Amino acid sequence: DQQVKQNSPSLSVQEGRISILNCDYTNSMFDYFLWYKKYPAEGPTFLISISSIKDKNEDGRFTVFLNKSAKHLSLHIVPSQPGDSAVYFCAASESNFGNEKLTFGTGTRLTIIP
Amino acid sequence: KAGVTQTPRYLIKTRGQQVTLSCSPISGHRSVSWYQQTPGQGLQFLFEYFSETQRNKGNFPGRFSGRQFSNSRSEMNVSTLELGDSALYLCASSWGLGGRRNEQFFGPGTRLTVL
Repeated sequence: DQQVKQNSPSLSVQEGRISILNCDYTNSMFDYFLWYKKYPAEGPTFLISISSIKDKNEDGRFTVFLNKSAKHLSLHIVPSQPGDSAVYFCAASESNFGNEKLTFGTGTRLTIIP
Repeated sequence: KAGVTQTPRYLIKTRGQQVTLSCSPISGHRSVSWYQQTPGQGLQFLFEYFSETQRNKGNFPGRFSGRQFSNSRSEMNVSTLELGDSALYLCASSWGLGGRRNEQFFGPGTRLTVL
């Protein structure tokens, strides 16, 4: 049972435009969400996170939006750059001290077209 | 500061064999988590070790086991390998228990192919 879903396996966006990556979750106990970015032959690296007490968090070109009622989050990258081409994973966690493991989605491969 | 290292980087085994993968965390990190990455399932959590004790476990069969040593290095073992065990195995280290409170830093992974 996939509790975190990324329904778009791939996405292509022109350089300079906005990239929007989506993520849905089914577990209503999730209250902390993260995005990771992965280049080939490297491990994932943390990008940005958001707590359920917020609906938006920004960090430079990256913004994450959370819609709790829809159990949906999205990552916006503006403007998109060629170095953003990577696989993006969203992840979620419950507030359960001592057992706050991350549940990851299947990933979306983003390709930025120069 | 050196990152997370995993050895070996690539491994080919046959069904029924067993395999041991190794992970050296960032110096000072006491938590090591293991994940299996496959194309259809994304990253799936295997287990987390902190101070030589398994703290969390995912939904994998008992063929998957691990341990952590006093220097925080961790090993993962898979016995009686199956074709479906072919995957990229990633380990991640963090200062404390990983996930939401402490950022996890991932290694490059070990690519296991089971023939």
